[in-house]
Amino acid sequence: GDSVTQMEGPVTLSEEAFLTINCTYTATGYPSLFWYVQYPGEGLQLLLKATKADDKGSNKGFEATYRKETTSFHLEKGSVQVSDSAVYFCALTYGGATNKLIFGTGTLLAVQP
Amino acid sequence: DTEVTQTPKHLVMGMTNKKSLKCEQHMGHRAMYWYKQKAKKPPELMFVYSYEKLSINESVPSRFSPECPNSSLLNLHLHALQPEDSALYLCASSQAPAEPYEQYFGPGTRLTVT
Repeated sequence: GDSVTQMEGPVTLSEEAFLTINCTYTATGYPSLFWYVQYPGEGLQLLLKATKADDKGSNKGFEATYRKETTSFHLEKGSVQVSDSAVYFCALTYGGATNKLIFGTGTLLAVQP
Repeated sequence: DTEVTQTPKHLVMGMTNKKSLKCEQHMGHRAMYWYKQKAKKPPELMFVYSYEKLSINESVPSRFSPECPNSSLLNLHLHALQPEDSALYLCASSQAPAEPYEQYFGPGTRLTVT
């Protein structure tokens, strides 16, 4: 079945470091891909999305490109801040009757000053 | 406005209590969702409502009873819960399913069953 695999965390970085969080997916079709972020004690916030191959989603300095050939959707940011500390979830959906999201396990990012 | 609101923020209940969680959105979305999230895990889908009709029940125990009174409101009625039901309960909404629309999540209700 379809699935999403994320790199194990926690990822610990110093402020202003470059961030990459790896996400790969297994899909029978052509899903849309999302990154959600969850700050401590809060719900999930949509960070960015891409709906087809080669699309690049971007928001708040974060970027991810939908790579069909490598079935990947890696999240990147050029310079992280302490305020970026959170759990990041990669997810996919085909829409359809339920629009069910399939999540990865989440990656905890801790940014130190 | 992309806000989904949930009340209460925290809830402590005994195993014999009956309580309800409430979710509201005013984005004109016609699909609403309930998720359960345990610590350090991704959210797990429980229920999906599409155009106020239940379209998915992910084999959730009957002690959880969803209700969608109108297109803006979603309730989750709780009765005779177990301690293992303690979790963060998240509500989400999206444009009606068919296309892979993004889901917008509320802040959640932290439920503790004693």
